Amino acid sequence: DSGVTQTPKHLITATGQRVTLRCSPRSGDLSVYWYQQSLDQGLQFLIQYYNGEERAKGNILERFSAQQFPDLHSELNLSSLELGDSALYFCASSVGGLVGEQYFGPGTRLTVT
Amino acid sequence: EDQVTQSPEALRLQEGESSSLNCSYTVSGLRGLFWYRQDPGKGPEFLFTLYSAGEEKEKERLKATLTKKESFLHITAPKPEDSATYLCAVLGGQNFVFGPGTRLSVLP
Repeated sequence: DSGVTQTPKHLITATGQRVTLRCSPRSGDLSVYWYQQSLDQGLQFLIQYYNGEERAKGNILERFSAQQFPDLHSELNLSSLELGDSALYFCASSVGGLVGEQYFGPGTRLTVT
Repeated sequence: EDQVTQSPEALRLQEGESSSLNCSYTVSGLRGLFWYRQDPGKGPEFLFTLYSAGEEKEKERLKATLTKKESFLHITAPKPEDSATYLCAVLGGQNFVFGPGTRLSVLP
């Protein structure tokens, strides 16, 4: 158990809908990262927040957005969902910045039908 | 554009049979190279960070090395519990790029 929690574990929704994934980092960690893992694209970095501020951006679509709240939990919002958005979404946390050791949560499996 | 390739795609070893996994990368300004282990259906588990060519790190049966173009993950006398997918990633600038992984199976 990494200490990172993600909810929900599974999510099934229809195309065009909007969903919110939630992540609670390990106690004491200030950075939160979001990743998408699909069979054809592998693991892709989406975005990083540090102590409430966006710090780094990867291959995040404009339909996706994230935020980190004052209690350091984070939410990833996915809108106008497409079939291709079906994937495992992981959250990770670290004490400091980008080069720090990251601890991954168990993931949220999103299925878009 | 930053790129990471890993070889082999899959590797089957007998218990105790040592081997190496390769990670080749192209990145502008390497800030760090990372190795992770991932079990099916679970999140990746951090193994190592390497920062500069010539650096080596060890943990139990695993040893990671780094050159200017590639990294190796050496597995000495593996056990069945070492079976997993091993992912390599590079950080250049502000973006992590992951390789496709090597799927390792260690047979008893």
